[in-house]
Amino acid sequence: DIQMTQSPSSLSASVGDRVTITCRASQGISNYLAWYQQKPGKVPKLLIYAASTLQSGVPSRFSGSGSGTDFTLTISSLQPEDVATYYCQKYNSPLLPFGGGTKVEIK
Amino acid sequence: EVQLVESGGGLVQPGRSLRLSCAASGFTFDDYAMHWVRQGPGKGLEWVSGISRNRGSIGYADSVKGRFTISRDNAKNSLYLQMDSLRAEDTALYYCAKGLGSGYYSPFDYWGQGTLVTVSS
Repeated sequence: DIQMTQSPSSLSASVGDRVTITCRASQGISNYLAWYQQKPGKVPKLLIYAASTLQSGVPSRFSGSGSGTDFTLTISSLQPEDVATYYCQKYNSPLLPFGGGTKVEIK
Repeated sequence: EVQLVESGGGLVQPGRSLRLSCAASGFTFDDYAMHWVRQGPGKGLEWVSGISRNRGSIGYADSVKGRFTISRDNAKNSLYLQMDSLRAEDTALYYCAKGLGSGYYSPFDYWGQGTLVTVSS
């Protein structure tokens, strides 16, 4: 089974900072990669799919890139409302596992 | 408006069974794959199981394979998860989620609020 590994597991950054989260698949998954945001006590929200396509309504400061095994979620200018845990997920096979998550906090 | 409402959670003893339901509305249910995702207390998201719109594709996480069974009733706009031989590690909030596209291999664009399952003696 393909495993999804995220790094870092947590980070702390200042408002306005550029933040980058990495997701690595143990085997190639083309661009079948999604990113989700889960704010404390809330339901997960789809941010990006197909590695780089922004879901409707998601602010443009979020972007995704990558293909194959290595993927990146970037927040170009961190805002207070971006405090959340972010998860990647692959969806190219019958098993659709998530990564372990990256908790983003404000410094 | 898309709505997914889970039910059926509760406190159950180890080794017993529970059946979760998800009532869907606001979209054409039989056009989309559906999934169950769980989140243990203080833990990350864990995909549990998924089923395509015509039941042709079904998948289970290794942690639940052989114990859980996913099903759907398109006439009732409902998704189910039969959970047998429950273990303490199955304790979690169980979410129902809708696929973004019409195929099975699609991320999840809508989620329910979840139903809590607690496995304890």
